[in-house]
Amino acid sequence: AQSVTQLGSHVSVSEGALVLLRCNYSSSVPPYLFWYVQYPNQGLQLLLKYTTGATLVKGINGFEAEFKKSETSFHLTKPSAHMSDAAEYFCAVNSGNTPLVFGKGTRLSVIA
Amino acid sequence: GAVVSQHPSWVICKSGTSVKIECRSLDFQATTMFWYRQFPKQSLMLMATSNEGSKATYEQGVEKDKFLINHASLTLSTLTVTSAHPEDSSFYICSAPRQGRNSPLHFGNGTRLTVT
Repeated sequence: AQSVTQLGSHVSVSEGALVLLRCNYSSSVPPYLFWYVQYPNQGLQLLLKYTTGATLVKGINGFEAEFKKSETSFHLTKPSAHMSDAAEYFCAVNSGNTPLVFGKGTRLSVIA
Repeated sequence: GAVVSQHPSWVICKSGTSVKIECRSLDFQATTMFWYRQFPKQSLMLMATSNEGSKATYEQGVEKDKFLINHASLTLSTLTVTSAHPEDSSFYICSAPRQGRNSPLHFGNGTRLTVT
């Protein structure tokens, strides 16, 4: 079985500040890890994914995440927050083309 | 551009009526599609796995007679909410994987269902 824990249901940062959204996973098989962003009343947009290879993954909009097997973590970061980054962020895990298991989400607010 | 198209994006219906939601893969064939439901301020919960040419697989607690899934072709899966009630009001999202183990799941833009 696989599961995802996102620490912090709501994170608030100032514009220009570092964004750090935490994600820990549990998986009995090598995981594939994903971060998705969701804007109100919209579907999910893939930010980045880790499957194999390089553990530091760069995604769209300046986001990146690092897969740390020893810590079972896949935290999402962005050096400088922008107002347009305000949204709901979901970390998810699967093992290939199986259904994704989602975390509960973290709502990111960006303060001007 | 979008690779999974979901229609309608929103629908309002009266209690007791049925609503059909379509999910299409636009430029690839999807033998499997996944249907999720998302309640306000909550995460996405897998409802069922739609399989082309065979019966859907439902998650525990999801009523298969209420949420009818038909995967009639390699590019189309439909979810029909039968005899809808206000508690069925939710955001429904479909997703489909491209072929290949490293392929991410592509999501439709979701359907906001409101049952009055």
